[in-house]
Amino acid sequence: QQPVQSPQAVILREGEDAVINCSSSKALYSVHWYRQKHGEAPVFLMILLKGGEQKGHEKISASFNEKKQQSSLYLTASQLSYSGTYFCGTAYSGAGSYQLTFGKGTKLSVIP
Amino acid sequence: NAGVTQTPKFQVLKTGQSMTLQCAQDMNHEYMSWYRQDPGMGLRLIHYSVGAGITDQGEVPNGYNVSRSTTEDFPLRLLSAAPSQTSVYFCASKRQGARYSNQPQHFGDGTRLSIL
Repeated sequence: QQPVQSPQAVILREGEDAVINCSSSKALYSVHWYRQKHGEAPVFLMILLKGGEQKGHEKISASFNEKKQQSSLYLTASQLSYSGTYFCGTAYSGAGSYQLTFGKGTKLSVIP
Repeated sequence: NAGVTQTPKFQVLKTGQSMTLQCAQDMNHEYMSWYRQDPGMGLRLIHYSVGAGITDQGEVPNGYNVSRSTTEDFPLRLLSAAPSQTSVYFCASKRQGARYSNQPQHFGDGTRLSIL
């Protein structure tokens, strides 16, 4: 089952913050976040393993709530370069924990 | 370091034709996979492999075949192309195993396939 991402799309002005959510109906082993610009391959942002850890990458950070089976990606003080579609990829506990299932994506547009 | 290499980058086929999308990685990754990406649908897993000689179906396997004779290569075959297979195809690879659970999946640049 695909994880559910919300919102589907968001428009920000430079400097504004955004949160993208990723929810699963199955127990999660890990959550991967990727950003894809139009016509390009997805680019890796970060991985979160079960345990509720939070990670950061420049002004982009993420959290993983194992009990709620969800992850959130936080973009602070957005820049024009943050525009793109963000995907979460989830790996489920048990056999096949290496296999990623991706959500449908959240399109983020940052405008001046 | 080339990473994951996909060929061709673009292809136009007629309905009923067959073709093979090539994928090669030079990182000695055990796990390789194929995804298709359609507007609004995200990345959907077609087939995957956990090592040479081992393949399995993903979410949308119908109409596609794969094989894995070497660690490096994981070709995707369309036996009889249909317009519904028009899509962008991505190959990806990853180290496998619990000790590598914090390692990312690497994507190729994609193959844009149109079937008329």
